[in-house]
Amino acid sequence: DQQVKQNSPSLSVQEGRISILNCDYTNSMFDYFLWYKKYPAEGPTFLISISSIKDKNEDGRFTVFLNKSAKHLSLHIVPSQPGDSAVYFCAASAGSGYALNFGKGTSLLVTP
Amino acid sequence: NAGVTQTPKFRVLKTGQSMTLLCAQDMNHEYMYWYRQDPGMGLRLIHYSVGEGTTAKGEVPDGYNVSRLKKQNFLLGLESAAPSQTSVYFCASRDNNQPQHFGDGTRLSIL
Repeated sequence: DQQVKQNSPSLSVQEGRISILNCDYTNSMFDYFLWYKKYPAEGPTFLISISSIKDKNEDGRFTVFLNKSAKHLSLHIVPSQPGDSAVYFCAASAGSGYALNFGKGTSLLVTP
Repeated sequence: NAGVTQTPKFRVLKTGQSMTLLCAQDMNHEYMYWYRQDPGMGLRLIHYSVGEGTTAKGEVPDGYNVSRLKKQNFLLGLESAAPSQTSVYFCASRDNNQPQHFGDGTRLSIL
C-alpha cells in the first residue's frame, strides 16, 4: 500500500510563476521528509528536506511546508525556471536513518 | 570525486540468465541501497546495507540477492532473470543523518 502519495502526475507552470507540488502521507511514524528532483536518464538528486519538528524549510527558490495534522507537505518553487522541468519525488522515513518511502512523482514542466 | 557509480548502464538479458549489477561509492558512506523504478511508480527498495558485511531486505526483495563484502561496493544479483524484473535499478548511498545520493541507474531489459 502506497504510504506516500503524489496525486498529481503532472504540472505545467509558466516561467516566473510559482510551482506548488503536493504530497500526502499515511504513516504517522514518518518524521523526516525529502524532495528529490530527477532528470531523464539520470538518478534522483536531493533537493530539500524537513523534519517533523519544523513546519517550513527554505533553500533559495525552494521552500518545503509540512502540515503534520493533515499529513501533507508541499514544495514551492519561486520563481519557476525552465531548468526546473523535471520529475519531483516526495519521500519520507521514520527517522533520518531509515529507508525512504517514495511517492510516484510529479512531472513539472516550466514553459517560457 | 565520482560519487555513486553503477555498472553497467544498460543490459539486455534472456529469461533465466543471471547477472550482477555493481554499485560503487567513493564517499566512504556506511549505508547503501538498491531500488527499482517501474513506469508510473516511485522508487521501491529492494535491499539495503547499514555497513560492510551487512544486508537487509527491503520492500521488494524476492528474486534478488545482495552482497556488501567491501564498504565501497554493493552488488545486486539476479540468479534467474524474469521479465517482471525489467526495470531501472538505482543504487544510493548516504552518511549518517545525510540524504541519500543516487547513481544514474542501470536499465535492465529481460526478454
